[in-house]
Amino acid sequence: KQEVTQIPAALSVPEGENLVLNCSFTDSAIYNLQWFRQDPGKGLTSLLLIQSSQREQTSGRLNASLDKSSGRSTLYIAASQPGDSATYLCAVSSGSQAGTALIFGKGTTLSVSS
Amino acid sequence: NAGVTQTPKFQVLKTGQSMTLQCAQDMNHEYMSWYRQDPGMGLRLIHYSVGAGITDQGEVPNGYNVSRSTTEDFPLRLLSAAPSQTSVYFCASSTFGSNQPQHFGDGTRLSIL
Repeated sequence: KQEVTQIPAALSVPEGENLVLNCSFTDSAIYNLQWFRQDPGKGLTSLLLIQSSQREQTSGRLNASLDKSSGRSTLYIAASQPGDSATYLCAVSSGSQAGTALIFGKGTTLSVSS
Repeated sequence: NAGVTQTPKFQVLKTGQSMTLQCAQDMNHEYMSWYRQDPGMGLRLIHYSVGAGITDQGEVPNGYNVSRSTTEDFPLRLLSAAPSQTSVYFCASSTFGSNQPQHFGDGTRLSIL
């Protein structure tokens, strides 16, 4: 059974710091891995999607990497800002059809202080 | 674009009552799904659908019923609400393909007394 773990569960950093969020999964047979952002009381916003054949994806100050063989992904946030404060969720897709059922980690709650 | 729309946003029910959580998407996505989010448990898949007329169970389907009569709509029914179903419910949709992200609604916050 696929399991997804995110470390750390919570992280507090001062504004401007570069940081790394970690995600690990137990079964390397995945279609893709997605990173989401969730603000309090809100839904999930997709940040980055890495297909199983890819090693990394970048969007602005965000960079996500994937090492499928070791079952690991990292989300790198450069020059953090207070507006980055949110919960970040990692999810893998390993269902019977590509792009379907997601298995989620429990998230990392990030707080960036000004 | 409206994306994925969930109604209602909040609901309080008494034990034993039934209700339907609505989910609609306007992106012509084939795949739709329902998740529940509980503290300390993360998001867990309840039911999903790969197209109109086709539904299947996820990880935690007990106490819930779904149907998919149109591509746009995927309602989730609680047949007899229990306090253990107090949760935040999210609907998601996507098209098929390993490069296609899933789009989530804003959620329905449900309390069962």
